[in-house]
Amino acid sequence: KAGVTQTPRYLIKTRGQQVTLSCSPISGHRSVSWYQQTPGQGLQFLFEYFSETQRNKGNFPGRFSGRQFSNSRSEMNVSTLELGDSALYLCASSLQTGSDTGELFFGEGSRLTVL
Amino acid sequence: AQSVTQLGSHVSVSEGALVLLRCNYSSSVPPYLFWYVQYPNQGLQLLLKYTSAATLVKGINGFEAEFKKSETSFHLTKPSAHMSDAAEYFCAVGGSNYKLTFGKGTLLTVNP
Repeated sequence: KAGVTQTPRYLIKTRGQQVTLSCSPISGHRSVSWYQQTPGQGLQFLFEYFSETQRNKGNFPGRFSGRQFSNSRSEMNVSTLELGDSALYLCASSLQTGSDTGELFFGEGSRLTVL
Repeated sequence: AQSVTQLGSHVSVSEGALVLLRCNYSSSVPPYLFWYVQYPNQGLQLLLKYTSAATLVKGINGFEAEFKKSETSFHLTKPSAHMSDAAEYFCAVGGSNYKLTFGKGTLLTVNP
């Protein structure tokens, strides 16, 4: 069974640009979450989607947005990039059959560098 | 609100020695607790999870953790460290809000 696939793995942008990251969950998983990982702040929750609906959102500015498609694939977008957005962005998928937080399966991440 | 505190950002042990990584949590609801491991340039991999079935949880690669409600702790242990255990370990708590709250992580170094 294929794991969670994130693209691109590495990318470099300049301040003010925007970026779109893509995530393909494990087949059959309908929940997709996104986390930002930085050395200073650690792992921070961005948002979670289930069946194309955002069910929870972390404490990030409106420049960070996401969406989920009918095939459960997800994208996140960061507009007007700032230096502080440099991070590893991790996508995770889950069966999420109940209301509780289930086991998350993580992709290898997209490492964004903002110059 | 939920939170996780991992005591010790860096733990160093000798190969064959006991590994003990500490995690304390705060949760207003019965928690779901997890330990994840991250190797360099990779995502997170689940080691084990506690979902109230048993207080002693066994995971992969010989790791286990014990849930102690009175101490609000979920420490990770392994009797004998191996060089391949060198990685960063994250404790996380989940509830009914579709997200995990992670600790800051503990970097485990294993010395030959």
